[in-house]
Amino acid sequence: AQSVAQPEDQVNVAEGNPLTVKCTYSVSGNPYLFWYVQYPNRGLQFLLKYITGDNLVKGSYGFEAEFNKSQTSFHLKKPSALVSDSALYFCAVRMDSSYKLIFGSGTRLLVRP
Amino acid sequence: GAVVSQHPSWVICKSGTSVKIECRSLDFQATTMFWYRQFPKQSLMLMATSNEGSKATYEQGVEKDKFLINHASLTLSTLTVTSAHPEDSSFYICSARMEYSNQPQHFGDGTRLSIL
Repeated sequence: AQSVAQPEDQVNVAEGNPLTVKCTYSVSGNPYLFWYVQYPNRGLQFLLKYITGDNLVKGSYGFEAEFNKSQTSFHLKKPSALVSDSALYFCAVRMDSSYKLIFGSGTRLLVRP
Repeated sequence: GAVVSQHPSWVICKSGTSVKIECRSLDFQATTMFWYRQFPKQSLMLMATSNEGSKATYEQGVEKDKFLINHASLTLSTLTVTSAHPEDSSFYICSARMEYSNQPQHFGDGTRLSIL
């Protein structure tokens, strides 16, 4: 069965510092991986995706993610965090045949001034 | 970019009332829409997959008679919570995808449902 794990409930970082939000996955076949962000009382906004190609994927708002097949990871990164990046981040894997998304448990990012 | 509109954004109603939530794709045709439920501080739980012109496919454990889904057109899917009770209170989110596309799903802004 396909699954996604986000091992950290919360990540705290100071503004201007680099941030990493971790995600590991378990899939059969080629993974289709996504990162979404959710602000309070809002739906999800797409950040980036990995389908195939370069292991380093660049997305919206300066975020990027590195696909690591040997470690089955897809960590979200940003070189310099902003206070406005504070939100709930979800990693997701797409089930190939049905296009369903399986979400991780979410990681709350708190960027302090 | 692709936009999904969800309405209403917030509803409070009495126990026993049926509530309809609409999900519209505003600038693309969505052959498939998904309905999710999110409890406070938790992840999204897929409830059902809605395909235009056919019956919805429900995930295990989701009562299809309680959560009625209709996908009447390529731009509109509705979720009706029938005879709602306080335990149905939650944040409901829809998403839509374009056919024959590897583009990511686009999400609505969600509906906060509170049953008194």
